[in-house]
Amino acid sequence: EADIYQTPRYLVIGTGKKITLECSQTMGHDKMYWYQQDPGMELHLIHYSYGVNSTEKGDLSSESTVSRIRTEHFPLTLESARPSHTSQYLCASSEYSADTQYFGPGTRLTVL
Amino acid sequence: GQQLNQSPQSMFIQEGEDVSMNCTSSSIFNTWLWYKQDPGEGPVLLIALYKAGELTSNGRLTAQFGITRKDSFLNISASIPSDVGIYFCAGQKYNNNDMRFGAGTRLTVKP
Repeated sequence: EADIYQTPRYLVIGTGKKITLECSQTMGHDKMYWYQQDPGMELHLIHYSYGVNSTEKGDLSSESTVSRIRTEHFPLTLESARPSHTSQYLCASSEYSADTQYFGPGTRLTVL
Repeated sequence: GQQLNQSPQSMFIQEGEDVSMNCTSSSIFNTWLWYKQDPGEGPVLLIALYKAGELTSNGRLTAQFGITRKDSFLNISASIPSDVGIYFCAGQKYNNNDMRFGAGTRLTVKP
């Protein structure tokens, strides 16, 4: 069973607020990922990281930013949330040399 | 990009029936993965396939890595109500951080 955690699980906020979605893993994985998923739809990669101080943008354009100061943490920040940001955000991690990604439970974000 | 076509989009079956779903692509992948996602949760890995032609089982689940490396299949035998959920295929090229996901197959099992 994967040890990857996301908080909060659910978040309802007003437009213009700054928010940070937390993701942490205790497996020592170098690679971490953020995906955006609308209900029942496919996952779209928005950010990933090879390791500490490494961050890259994914194939889906996103107004969010990420940081990787510690191996186990990969927080995602929205400086000014908008209704179009309403979605589920999934964090995942994998070993550097492996393809298998393990997912957290997700954060369901609603921006009013 | 490397589009993954997953079918069927949804399935409604009776408990005890077998299920088959597949994923195809115009591109070659080096790894195929199958995940299951319950409502409000993250995807959970079911089976990972790393070699063309590989056939792997996990309980009542069996998945195959297509010989052409452009497709993969997942079969569920003797379905039960807890099999309900969305099944996603995912493909990844060697040494590439861009994993592509199919749109999912939504499975409903009627008791």
